[in-house]
Amino acid sequence: DVKVTQSSRYLVKRTGEKVFLECVQDMDHENMFWYRQDPGLGLRLIYFSYDVKMKEKGDIPEGYSVSREKKERFSLILESASTNQTSMYLCASKTEGSGNQPQHFGDGTRLSIL
Amino acid sequence: AQSVTQLGSHVSVSEGALVLLRCNYSSSVPPYLFWYVQYPNQGLQLLLKYTSAATLVKGINGFEAEFKKSETSFHLTKPSAHMSDAAEYFCALLRPGNTPLVFGKGTRLSVIA
Repeated sequence: DVKVTQSSRYLVKRTGEKVFLECVQDMDHENMFWYRQDPGLGLRLIYFSYDVKMKEKGDIPEGYSVSREKKERFSLILESASTNQTSMYLCASKTEGSGNQPQHFGDGTRLSIL
Repeated sequence: AQSVTQLGSHVSVSEGALVLLRCNYSSSVPPYLFWYVQYPNQGLQLLLKYTSAATLVKGINGFEAEFKKSETSFHLTKPSAHMSDAAEYFCALLRPGNTPLVFGKGTRLSVIA
């Protein structure tokens, strides 16, 4: 089974802090994704990556950046955390393969910015 | 543009009753379609996927979905609800090619004893 591991289940930070959310997958997947999930808004794509050192903006990239130095790891960075970034963050990975492969998700990080 | 609409942000059914969660899509090309389930404080788990091999797709936990091109729908059903089915369900669309999933806003299913 594919395993996508997010480093923290719960995280509390203060406004203005630089926050790192880490995600690791163990299936040598080429593609990785970061979403945030908010009540009534569903999942919104922040950034994704097709390969090492490559990144693409999703629907809501403002206030975030990402890093993919190794194939198995995809980090989401909040440069200067703000209260409106309090949310559930979900990481996913997917093999490039044929187009119908599903995304596999981690358990999420519930981030609170105080 | 590709999009997914889930009708009803909250559905409530009695234990043993039919579960019907609605999903309509908009796509200019034949899409791949997925249903995911999210239990409280967990990530998303794949329930089933449609990949054009068969219009009726069976998934885990007794769920199934039928692809209807004429109605641009991919509704999720289960004949008899169980308490453990209480969760949030997401319908998602994938265009052919290497692109991210497009998600609906989700439907929360409550099961009443």
